[in-house]
Amino acid sequence: SQQGEEDPQALSIQEGENATMNCSYKTSINNLQWYRQNSGRGLVHLILIRSNEREKHSGRLRVTLDTSKKSSSLLITASRAADTASYFCATRSGGSNYKLTFGKGTLLTVNP
Amino acid sequence: DAGVTQSPTHLIKTRGQQVTLRCSPKSGHDTVSWYQQALGQGPQFIFQYYEEEERQRGNFPDRFSGHQFPNYSSELNVNALLLGDSALYLCASSFELEAYEQYFGPGTRLTVT
Repeated sequence: SQQGEEDPQALSIQEGENATMNCSYKTSINNLQWYRQNSGRGLVHLILIRSNEREKHSGRLRVTLDTSKKSSSLLITASRAADTASYFCATRSGGSNYKLTFGKGTLLTVNP
Repeated sequence: DAGVTQSPTHLIKTRGQQVTLRCSPKSGHDTVSWYQQALGQGPQFIFQYYEEEERQRGNFPDRFSGHQFPNYSSELNVNALLLGDSALYLCASSFELEAYEQYFGPGTRLTVT
């Protein structure tokens, strides 16, 4: 079953604009990760945020985590056409639970 | 440094047949996980192998089985294929002591007709 739910399901913006995607999850987590997938191929790991962190940055990416609301957001600043992809959040509960539980993803289209 | 590799890239099978998919983990990684991704959905966890044993399994029937070899490579076997098994099968590897980040391969696209 899906743990995370991304919002919106699809997002279309112009190059140079910022893109914000949200993720909500249901159970307590050890960490939350964001992945990118181009054209239905393999997933690329973007960033990991642990449950005791509130915000993390990596290049043009900014991730926030609110464990009280069981939600996270991914902000991509100054978007480029090459950022066009599907973005997934994935959670891991920790302990002896090794699996990643993914949401359904947000399809981001950046128009040149 | 080679990343995660999977073979074959594409596969077409008929209902009732059996299929074997292969995965070689990233160099230095000892743990392999398999995921199934249906069209328009997020990946679903099938199982994870560590030290040549299945240590966690998702909600998949026994028709799905796997194996991990001493060199850490892995196979995913699916018996009695159903149309609903058509999906992208993703392999992910990680290093046990740094298990949080998983590196995914390009996937195998399986079509069952």
